[in-house]
Amino acid sequence: GENVEQHPSTLSVQEGDSAVIKCTYSDSASNYFPWYKQELGKRPQLIIDIRSNVGEKKDQRIAVTLNKTAKHFSLHITETQPEDSAVYFCAASDYKLSFGAGTTVTVRA
Amino acid sequence: ETGVTQSPTHLIKTRGQQVTLRCSSQSGHNTVSWYQQALGQGPQFIFQYYREEENGRGNFPPRFSGLQFPNYSSELNVNALELDDSALYLCASSLGQAPSRFGPGTRLTVT
Repeated sequence: GENVEQHPSTLSVQEGDSAVIKCTYSDSASNYFPWYKQELGKRPQLIIDIRSNVGEKKDQRIAVTLNKTAKHFSLHITETQPEDSAVYFCAASDYKLSFGAGTTVTVRA
Repeated sequence: ETGVTQSPTHLIKTRGQQVTLRCSSQSGHNTVSWYQQALGQGPQFIFQYYREEENGRGNFPPRFSGLQFPNYSSELNVNALELDDSALYLCASSLGQAPSRFGPGTRLTVT
């Protein structure tokens, strides 16, 4: 089955700096790669996603890149703000979502 | 357009009991997937239902079972509850492909 690894497990950044989270996947059949933000006690919220026929996607301060050959994808958050503090999960999917272990992001004011 | 809804919001059960969780899919979606999220971990795939049939299952024992109804709503049943079943249970619906958005979840506590 699919195995998704996510790094780092924790990330502390100064407000205004960038944050980068990296994930690798194992199953070449995976064709959909969403990223989720989860605040304490709430459901994971989709923040951006990318499909395997696209190499990069951007939405305001958030961007995702995908390297199918290397089987890795990354989330980039620019100009971080305190409200970006949360747990972020990557996932890879064929028909079901396989999640990474999560990255706890803390933005220091 | 209404999104995915789940009930109940919270539930407390005793070890050995049985529980049923419910999910109403987003209008027009024919596929429902269930995930278990233990504290501090990422969601884990339990199973998926497509047109009332199980369409894939994760590494969960048979005491986790489900149903999908003609209106595409779904139930997750867990028998013989164990302490480790305490988790947030998430439902997601989609139109025959991988889901991306989750319902609000049911927080199950087993004591």
